[in-house]
Order: sequence, then structure tokens, then C-alpha cells
Amino acid sequence: QVQLQESGPGLVKPSQTLSLTCTVSGGSINTGNYYWSWIRQPAGKGLEWIGRIYTSGSTNYNPSLESRLTISVDTSKNHFSLKLTSVTAADTAVYYCARDLGYSYGRGPLDYWGQGTLVTVSS
Amino acid sequence: EIVLTQSPGTLSLSPGERATLSCRASQSVSSSYLAWYQQKPGQAPRLLIFGTSRRATGIPDRFSGSGSGTDFTLTISRLEPEDFAVYYCQQYGSTPRTFGPGTKVDIK
Repeated sequence: QVQLQESGPGLVKPSQTLSLTCTVSGGSINTGNYYWSWIRQPAGKGLEWIGRIYTSGSTNYNPSLESRLTISVDTSKNHFSLKLTSVTAADTAVYYCARDLGYSYGRGPLDYWGQGTLVTVSS
Repeated sequence: EIVLTQSPGTLSLSPGERATLSCRASQSVSSSYLAWYQQKPGQAPRLLIFGTSRRATGIPDRFSGSGSGTDFTLTISRLEPEDFAVYYCQQYGSTPRTFGPGTKVDIK
């Protein structure tokens, strides 16, 4: 059973960089045609897809965040990471990592999710 | 970007009743790359349906999906107490992936 776990600071100051890591257990991050994704959810609101990465390093980003966003993968540590620069209060949210099934030409739903981690942007 | 609209915003029903949730896309969702998720308070979303009508592993058959093009439906044939939650549709045919705003199914 694949499990994902987000980790990182829960509080980030405005204008600084938000950094999170998602550790995958129960299987190798290299196995299968999976993509590894980030999604966020402000309190009481809906879900926003941030972006995803394949183990080759190939990425897809949400254009609304692309200029501030970097997603990377470290297969030796079985984890992938998110960096979002120049954060503001609007970036305050629960951040989830998830596995993208990628079953059809690299397209797939999100079948395994981490429990989520709250990141608050505040001075 | 494909914008997804869900209706109704809230659905108030009793256990045992049938729930019909709608998801409409601003443009055609390619190859029916449409998924549904269930989210309960304090929990991560859970995949229910993908490819419009395929149930994810372990999902009971009271959940079913249908539709094509721009109009999709999630049906819960008989609501169980554990089904009261928020449901989101998502398209994964184009980038960025997008989610609908959600439908809350609550107890009448």
C-alpha cells in the first residue's frame, strides 16, 4: 500500500519561499508510469492543482503559479519536493501531495493522497 | 483552462435516498478524462470514479458515474451515513488540471 507524507515548515513569512517535501513509502517512486503531484486547498475552499513531476524530471505546472514554482524529485530518497517563491497570504492553504495514475498517455486521476499539511503565510 | 461548474452547491437528503450530482465543463473534456472525489472534514480527498465511469479500487457499487463531452454526473444510488461529504469533479485531460467547486451532500 503506497503512502505519501508531506513535511515542511507550517509557517512562512511573506515574500519568502515555501518548501515542502513528500516522502513516498510502500513502493518505489520509480515504479510504473506515475506522476507525482501537488494540490492545495485554502481553508473552507476548493482544490487547486499546483503541478506534477515524472521521475525523469519532466514537469507540468499550473500557469497561474509557474513563475514562482519549482517541483523536483529525488529518486534516491523516494521523495519529491515543492518550492514556491515570493509567497503572500493568498498562498496559505493545506498542501497535499498525491500520486497521478498516469494510465492513459500520461493522464490520470489522483489515486493516493497524503494527509495534507497546513502552511500559513504570516509575519 | 477548462472551468468546471458543479450543481447543486448543497444537496440535502436522507439516508437511503438517491443523490445525483452534476459537473459541467466549459469545453469538452477529452477522452472522458473526468474523475470524482469525496472529501470529509479534516481528510484528504478520496478517488471514487475516473474515466467518467470507472470505479476506483474498493469503491462500492452504489457509486456510479456517467456523461461525456461537457456534462457529467455522479450518482449515489442509496445514501449511507458515511456518504455525507463534499464531492469534487476533476478533469485531467488538459493542463492545468482543474477541479469543480464541490457539492456538499448533507443530512436532511
